[in-house]
Amino acid sequence: AQSVTQLGSHVSVSEGALVLLRCNYSSSVPPYLFWYVQYPNQGLQLLLKYTSAATLVKGINGFEAEFKKSETSFHLTKPSAHMSDAAEYFCAVSDTAGFKTIFGAGTRLFVKA
Amino acid sequence: SAVISQKPSRDICQRGTSLTIQCQVDSQVTMMFWYRQQPGQSLTLIATANQGSEATYESGFVIDKFPISRPNLTFSTLTVSNMSPEDSSIYLCSVDLGTNEKLFFGSGTQLSVL
Repeated sequence: AQSVTQLGSHVSVSEGALVLLRCNYSSSVPPYLFWYVQYPNQGLQLLLKYTSAATLVKGINGFEAEFKKSETSFHLTKPSAHMSDAAEYFCAVSDTAGFKTIFGAGTRLFVKA
Repeated sequence: SAVISQKPSRDICQRGTSLTIQCQVDSQVTMMFWYRQQPGQSLTLIATANQGSEATYESGFVIDKFPISRPNLTFSTLTVSNMSPEDSSIYLCSVDLGTNEKLFFGSGTQLSVL
């Protein structure tokens, strides 16, 4: 069975600082990995996805994530946080067969001025 | 891409009643998924609905409580039966276009049970 663990339910950074949101996965088959963002009172938007091509994936709004098979990780980073990045971030995993997507518990990012 | 229409967008219901949520997609899709997002929490998959077969439920969810219909490739319904306040949540319909690129989500149904 697949699962996703997001380390840290809340992360707080200063504006301009590095953003690092951690995600570890468990999958018995090569995984498809995703990061979604949910702004307050809005639906989910896809930030980026890993589908077995390049291990470093670039997404929207300056975010990127690196797939590390040896560490079963898919951490999300952004070099410089902006106030508008404050939101809930969800890591998700799906397999190549059932297309069923499992979401992590989410990490709420706070950005301080 | 896919455009998903979900209704109702919100409802307030009495304990013990049932609510049926509709999900309409603007293209034919094989798989539709129903998620629940309880206040302040992540998305939990309720079931996968394939056209022409019984829905597949995740652990902790049963057909008697959450019956699902999938009459064709563009439509599905989820019923929340015999509701209790613990069922208060946002219910989301989503589809995968078969390329595993990403999930498309409906706007959600915010359910409050009194």
